[in-house]
Amino acid sequence: GEDVEQSLFLSVREGDSSVINCTYTDSSSTYLYWYKQEPGAGLQLLTYIFSNMDMKQDQRLTVLLNKKDKHLSLRIADTQTGDSAIYFCAESITGKLIFGQGTTLQVKP
Amino acid sequence: EAGVTQFPSHSVIEKGQTVTLRCDPISGHDNLYWYRRVMGKEIKFLLHFVKESKQDESGMPNNRFLAERTGGTYSTLKVQPAELEDSGVYFCASSHEGQGISGYTFGSGTRLTVV
Repeated sequence: GEDVEQSLFLSVREGDSSVINCTYTDSSSTYLYWYKQEPGAGLQLLTYIFSNMDMKQDQRLTVLLNKKDKHLSLRIADTQTGDSAIYFCAESITGKLIFGQGTTLQVKP
Repeated sequence: EAGVTQFPSHSVIEKGQTVTLRCDPISGHDNLYWYRRVMGKEIKFLLHFVKESKQDESGMPNNRFLAERTGGTYSTLKVQPAELEDSGVYFCASSHEGQGISGYTFGSGTRLTVV
């Protein structure tokens, strides 16, 4: 079946690293995605990783993929207050996105 | 380039009433998608239009939901009659034909509250 799971809440101090974790069930996904939703805004694609990659780095963002364990993580280095948002991981199956419940990241000054 | 526009941004209606949500995709985008997030839960796929045709409506919860995209431009999603469990945020996304999901652009969503 199609299922994506995330922890619901993460609180960090400004300047620390944040790690948001996600597990998924469908191993046929070609890409896995991280979206960010700021208050009152739409879903913004942060980054994505091809399923045959283990890691992707993009400035402060690092995505790690463990395909064997079906585990995806997003690390945000030097977390800023502007990173406070809900983060959704998602896999794509037959052209549509299967999302997790979203992780609310709270960044304390 | 204007983004994906959704209207209204918020709607509060009573159980049993009808509500129509509208999505204006980016001009020229053939693909249009509707998703819904029920409070605190995952965002779920509802349906996918290619131009004016329904490509995949496997996520539509029941026959109280009717989506249309006449002329292949904007789309409407009507809920009639609305029930309490229909409350949530309804997102629309669009993309060019042939673009993968990385080409999706999402709107800001319509927050629907049924009381």
